[in-house]
Amino acid sequence: SQQGEEDPQALSIQEGENATMNCSYKTSINNLQWYRQNSGRGLVHLILIRSNEREKHSGRLRVTLDTSKKSSSLLITASRAADTASYFCATVDPTQGGSEKLVFGKGTKLTVNP
Amino acid sequence: NAGVTQTPKFQVLKTGQSMTLQCAQDMNHNSMYWYRQDPGMGLRLIYYSASEGTTDKGEVPNGYNVSRLNKREFSLRLESAAPSQTSVYFCASSFLDGNTEAFFGQGTRLTVV
Repeated sequence: SQQGEEDPQALSIQEGENATMNCSYKTSINNLQWYRQNSGRGLVHLILIRSNEREKHSGRLRVTLDTSKKSSSLLITASRAADTASYFCATVDPTQGGSEKLVFGKGTKLTVNP
Repeated sequence: NAGVTQTPKFQVLKTGQSMTLQCAQDMNHNSMYWYRQDPGMGLRLIYYSASEGTTDKGEVPNGYNVSRLNKREFSLRLESAAPSQTSVYFCASSFLDGNTEAFFGQGTRLTVV
């Protein structure tokens, strides 16, 4: 089964508002990654947070990680219409003994209305 | 650099036909992956390859075979296509250590009728 589960499944906001998406995962991790997918396109990497980090910033993105709760959140501040996309979290399970099983959640579909 | 290149972009198959989806990367990555994406299901891992010469099953391997031809290329084969394999297929690659980003191709939209 999939490692990560995003919440909510869909989110609709107005331009300028903040958007928060959550991800829960099941097993221990080395890191957690967030990706973005524009409609009909491949995924693009946004940010990676390691298991020993609690918060990370990149431009208008802020990611938090709580390993005790096995959860992460992605915050997009001052959203723009161009942020409309689906957002996925992904993890690599270190218990796989070196094999690189990169698994994704089902994603959050974000719509930013002008 | 082209990154990750998938071919073809679109394909329609009849039930029972076979085909191979091609994927190549030019970033000297060790790991390569095949995913399928269906509405409401996110990305599900079909097969992955941690290095040249090795392949492992993911979540949904049934009905598929893969070949890691060399470090650059990782192909996905459908031996006898079924309508349930109608999906968008993505290939991705990354370095082995898992602590770096994965790069994705643009996808192959496959319809099995």
